Amino acid sequence: QVQLQQSGPGLVKPSQTLSLTCAISGDSVSSNSAAWNWIRQSPSGGLEWLGRTYYRSRWYFDYAISVKSRITINPDTSKNQFSLQLNSVTPEDTAVYYCARDPGVVVKIAFDIWGQGTMVTVSS
Amino acid sequence: QSALTQPPSASGSPGQSVTISCTGTSSDVGGHNYVSWYQQHPGKAPKLMISEVTKRPSGVPDRFSGSKSGNTASLTVSGLQAEDEADYYCSSYAGSICVFGTGTKITVL
Repeated sequence: QVQLQQSGPGLVKPSQTLSLTCAISGDSVSSNSAAWNWIRQSPSGGLEWLGRTYYRSRWYFDYAISVKSRITINPDTSKNQFSLQLNSVTPEDTAVYYCARDPGVVVKIAFDIWGQGTMVTVSS
Repeated sequence: QSALTQPPSASGSPGQSVTISCTGTSSDVGGHNYVSWYQQHPGKAPKLMISEVTKRPSGVPDRFSGSKSGNTASLTVSGLQAEDEADYYCSSYAGSICVFGTGTKITVL
């Protein structure tokens, strides 16, 4: 079955870059019938979608307006994974970060497989 | 893009039904049929319960059902069970981006 395995540091200093990776098993990052997302959950509990990448003859990238100037999502076909980079972090970026799959040729905002979550704290 | 509005809490006794709402705008909930619902237990990742307003993924009990009217989507849990106590979030397509709801805690009395 499809599984997503997250990795990356749990502590990042203010103004530095947050980097996480999501390794895919049982599916392909370059599949024509899936989109690969990053979502975070603040300590107060709310979920926030950050962005996605998907392949439909070429790579597509969509980002949330709130982080658009600071975020990069990169697919890595050689390792069948995708990554999140969030620049210039502040304590407000402290959250649990999830990667998630949205299956189907059409993007439907239906995240059926989730990674285990990574708690990232931004602190000096 | 603002978060979709959900009531903070809802409750019901075992066996009863509870319905929670998710209110957006014509740019998100009202403009598309890509509304999903997620269940989240403490310390766990969210679990997809409903997609495309009304569709239940394989393995989700038929006690869970979804609907939509105008800019408001709803999730109904019938025949409440103790294990249904959790946080529930809606999400919607909003023109190439995704927006989540504020979340509702369902308590089984």
